[in-house]
Order: sequence, then structure tokens, then C-alpha cells
Amino acid sequence: ETGVTQSPTHLIKTRGQQVTLRCSSQSGHNTVSWYQQALGQGPQFIFQYYREEENGRGNFPPRFSGLQFPNYSSELNVNALELDDSALYLCASSPDWAGSKNIQYFGAGTRLSVL
Amino acid sequence: GQQLNQSPQSMFIQEGEDVSMNCTSSSIFNTWLWYKQDPGEGPVLLIALYKAGELTSNGRLTAQFGITRKDSFLNISASIPSDVGIYFCAGFNTNAGKSTFGDGTTLTVKP
Repeated sequence: ETGVTQSPTHLIKTRGQQVTLRCSSQSGHNTVSWYQQALGQGPQFIFQYYREEENGRGNFPPRFSGLQFPNYSSELNVNALELDDSALYLCASSPDWAGSKNIQYFGAGTRLSVL
Repeated sequence: GQQLNQSPQSMFIQEGEDVSMNCTSSSIFNTWLWYKQDPGEGPVLLIALYKAGELTSNGRLTAQFGITRKDSFLNISASIPSDVGIYFCAGFNTNAGKSTFGDGTTLTVKP
């Protein structure tokens, strides 16, 4: 149990739709990162938020966007869904991006299927 | 961009055997991390390495940060059935602010 909770656990959408995934960080953690994990691959970094501001982004198009709220919970939004967006989306929180030595605590993920 | 090559892709071993897996990169990292992921779960951190040459143990697990800062290995001694899962290496650079993951080693342990 990492203290990081994600919702929903599973989601089915159709191509072209929009989706919002949610993450509740471990208490006291002000940094959250989102990863996309395709089947049989390692997690790919999407972006990171630190104190409500984007603090780094991977090679994902602008239709992947995020928010971090004052209580440090976070959302990942994906617009205009494509079939290749089907994956496990993981949220990871850490106490502080600069000094945490990258000790990230992962949630169990949201499994998104795009039909 | 940075890429990590993790090998082997999969391993089938007998209970009690030792296991070794490694990760190499074309780029330098200042932190190496090893995670285990069970079905339906997110990755769980096993060992973190912060200095070139560092050797760190966590129970039956031992990992090393390569001298060149471009590689790392993980050893598991005397494997048991609950060691089954997917093991990921990840490299982290403070400047980039992100972890780059390998594609995992799937471990199967036969009783």
C-alpha cells in the first residue's frame, strides 16, 4: 500500500472521446508524475507537476494535459482519444522533486481501453 | 532521447536459483532505480542507487550502479515463488526531472 490512489481502475472509451483520470497523492507529497505503460513495455513519462505547475514533459502531444490542485491531487486529461492511447496510466507521487532523490510511490493505475 | 536496454527480457528459473539482470544506457544517469511490478499493481521501488560504483542490498536483492554511470545490475539470491513478477530498471537525472524506464524482465520461478 503506497498511499497513492487512482480512479477509475478501468475505463472504456471510443476513439475521439475525451477522458479524465484522477490521482490522490500520498499525504505530504507535493510532486506528482504521470506515466503511460503500454502492454509489455516500461512506463513512459508523460509529465510532472510540482506545486500546481508543470515541471517537465515527455514526448506526448498537447492533447495530453494535466492539473494539480492545492491539495496536491492531480488529473490527467486526454482529448481526441486514439486507439494507441490504450494503456495503463500510472500516477506517482514524491515528497519534493528536488530533494526526494526520486523516491516515487506509484498508484495501481487506470487501465484505459480505446475502441 | 534516452533509452534503456534491459536484459534478459524474460527468465524461467527453479526455486532456490540465483538471478541476474542488467540495464544499459547510451546516456549517463545520476540515479539508478530498480522496481518490481506485480499484475494489477503499480511499480514498487526495490533499491535506489545514487553514486557510481555503489553496491546496495535489500534482503536477498543486491544492485550496483555502474562505474560509467551508464549501467546497473540487479541480483536476486535464492529465489522463491513470490519473486515472480516484472522487474524494471529506471534511470533518473535531476536536470530532466523524469525517470526513464527499461522494458522490464519478466521472472518466472518454478517451485
